[in-house]
Amino acid sequence: DQQVKQNSPSLSVQEGRISILNCDYTNSMFDYFLWYKKYPAEGPTFLISISSIKDKNEDGRFTVFLNKSAKHLSLHIVPSQPGDSAVYFCAASERLSGTYKYIFGTGTRLKVLA
Amino acid sequence: NAGVMQNPRHLVRRRGQEARLRCSPMKGHSHVYWYRQLPEEGLKFMVYLQKENIIDESGMPKERFSAEFPKEGPSILRIQQVVRGDSAAYFCASCGTTQETQYFGPGTRLLVL
Repeated sequence: DQQVKQNSPSLSVQEGRISILNCDYTNSMFDYFLWYKKYPAEGPTFLISISSIKDKNEDGRFTVFLNKSAKHLSLHIVPSQPGDSAVYFCAASERLSGTYKYIFGTGTRLKVLA
Repeated sequence: NAGVMQNPRHLVRRRGQEARLRCSPMKGHSHVYWYRQLPEEGLKFMVYLQKENIIDESGMPKERFSAEFPKEGPSILRIQQVVRGDSAAYFCASCGTTQETQYFGPGTRLLVL
């Protein structure tokens, strides 16, 4: 049972345009969400987070939107740069007894074309 | 300010041998999580440890796998009698007391021949 889904395995975007990566989840108790970027042969790098009490969080070129009623979040990258080409994972967690056990999606491979 | 460190980065073992993977959390972090990533899949939670305590090991196979985080030294993920299906990338992540954001190490790529 895949609680966190990234239904697009890959996405290609022209440099300078907006990249939109999507993530859906099934557990309405999830209350914290993270996005990571991963290059080959490296560990995931934290990008941006959002708590369920918010519907938007912005950090530079990265903005995460959360739609709780639709159980959907998205990561917007604008403008996209070739260095953004990587695999992007979303992760969701419910705070249980003070701990966060994250469930990860399967990732979306973003390719930014120069 | 060193990030999360893992070693070795690559490990080759023959079937039946033992694999030991080490993780040193980020300075000031006392919470360590281990994840496994199989090819073309996302990261799967294995175990969560604090110093000297296993808090949640619900994602870890019941046999052959064990983890520890001693008072001194790195966290260790130990796989006994490895099989080919154990071949994967193993990542550890650490976080501070607020625990919301986990920071990952570079991973150990285990190959079982």
